[in-house]
Amino acid sequence: GAVVSQHPSWVICKSGTSVKIECRSLDFQATTMFWYRQFPKQSLMLMATSNEGSKATYEQGVEKDKFLINHASLTLSTLTVTSAHPEDSSFYICSATPTSESSGNTIYFGEGSWLTVV
Amino acid sequence: AQSVTQLGSHVSVSEGALVLLRCNYSSSVPPYLFWYVQYPNQGLQLLLKYTTGATLVKGINGFEAEFKKSETSFHLTKPSAHMSDAAEYFCAVSTGGGIKLTFGTGTQLKVEL
Repeated sequence: GAVVSQHPSWVICKSGTSVKIECRSLDFQATTMFWYRQFPKQSLMLMATSNEGSKATYEQGVEKDKFLINHASLTLSTLTVTSAHPEDSSFYICSATPTSESSGNTIYFGEGSWLTVV
Repeated sequence: AQSVTQLGSHVSVSEGALVLLRCNYSSSVPPYLFWYVQYPNQGLQLLLKYTTGATLVKGINGFEAEFKKSETSFHLTKPSAHMSDAAEYFCAVSTGGGIKLTFGTGTQLKVEL
């Protein structure tokens, strides 16, 4: 079946550095992908909508200059956390829906990426 | 705007007992409704979804949910809990056939012997 893969699964970085997380749709094309953030014991909060070939759409309160999203191909979206700080430590999850689907009710989630900023 | 409310952040049941996880939604247009399960340190797995048609939806692992428009509810049930059901469960809604989800705050299910 359809699979969405995230890499890396775990990453530790030093405060002030940048880290990139990849989200790939392995056997389907996805014009749109979504990035969510989940703090420990909390729900998933939508950060942004990643659009292939155009700028991402950010949710209110999410800093677009801090969380850079690039969707350069129909199977890959990347989230770069720039100048990371300990408060950015979180579980980041992406989702994707096959472009070929007429309705958007099939949503596949990646396995998630744990980011720890020390 | 759409929203989801999950009543009870923690639910504890005995193995073999009925599981009932509550979800109410708010939406100005017909919603699509989802239940996801998350095991520790893992991503989300779709349990079931309602889009249109039959209001009683059957999912994986013996779970089912019923869409009740009059009550704006989409409660998740399972007749007999198993130890492996212990996990975090999230209800989510999207509207207009969209793929952008709004999640509830989650319910941690504990299954005791």
